[in-house]
Amino acid sequence: DAGVTQSPTHLIKTRGQQVTLRCSPKSGHDTVSWYQQALGQGPQFIFQYYEEEERQRGNFPDRFSGHQFPNYSSELNVNALLLGDSALYLCASSPPLTVYNEQFFGPGTRLTVL
Amino acid sequence: AQSVTQLGSHVSVSEGALVLLRCNYSSSVPPYLFWYVQYPNQGLQLLLKYTTGATLVKGINGFEAEFKKSETSFHLTKPSAHMSDAAEYFCAVRRGTGTASKLTFGTGTRLQVTL
Repeated sequence: DAGVTQSPTHLIKTRGQQVTLRCSPKSGHDTVSWYQQALGQGPQFIFQYYEEEERQRGNFPDRFSGHQFPNYSSELNVNALLLGDSALYLCASSPPLTVYNEQFFGPGTRLTVL
Repeated sequence: AQSVTQLGSHVSVSEGALVLLRCNYSSSVPPYLFWYVQYPNQGLQLLLKYTTGATLVKGINGFEAEFKKSETSFHLTKPSAHMSDAAEYFCAVRRGTGTASKLTFGTGTRLQVTL
């Protein structure tokens, strides 16, 4: 059973560019959450998708947007990249109707903005 | 608002010694609490969780944590450290319910295990 997968593993961009990160949830999971983990920090919640809609959003600007597809996979898009967007981006999935909302994390995509 | 405070950004123990990583939370409602471990260049792996019921929770790799409501704490312990335990550990609290919930993480504690 494949776990949560993310692509690419590493990415280098320059300021002002746009980036798209991809996530495939664990089999049987329907909810996807995205987190940003800056160096030396804990993960910060960006947003969560369920039934192809954004259900909750953290304190991130509109430059951060996302999408969920009918097969539950998800994309995170960041426009007008800033140096401060350099971080590890983690995707987490959780199964349907989970009272305890246990989230399973992928290995992350490390984004470097130059 | 719910938040998590991890005391000590770095903890160093000798192999075989007790591991104690501290976590305090603030929550206006009974919390769901989690400990995750992150090895270098990897994602997060769930160690254990507290939802309801027994306050002493056992997890993987010999770790356990005790939920103490009176102290608003959820400290992580392991009786005997192993070299393979060297990693970053994050305490997290769950906000919200069901599909609208999210995790709020502490800033992490880096555990170093020495010979």
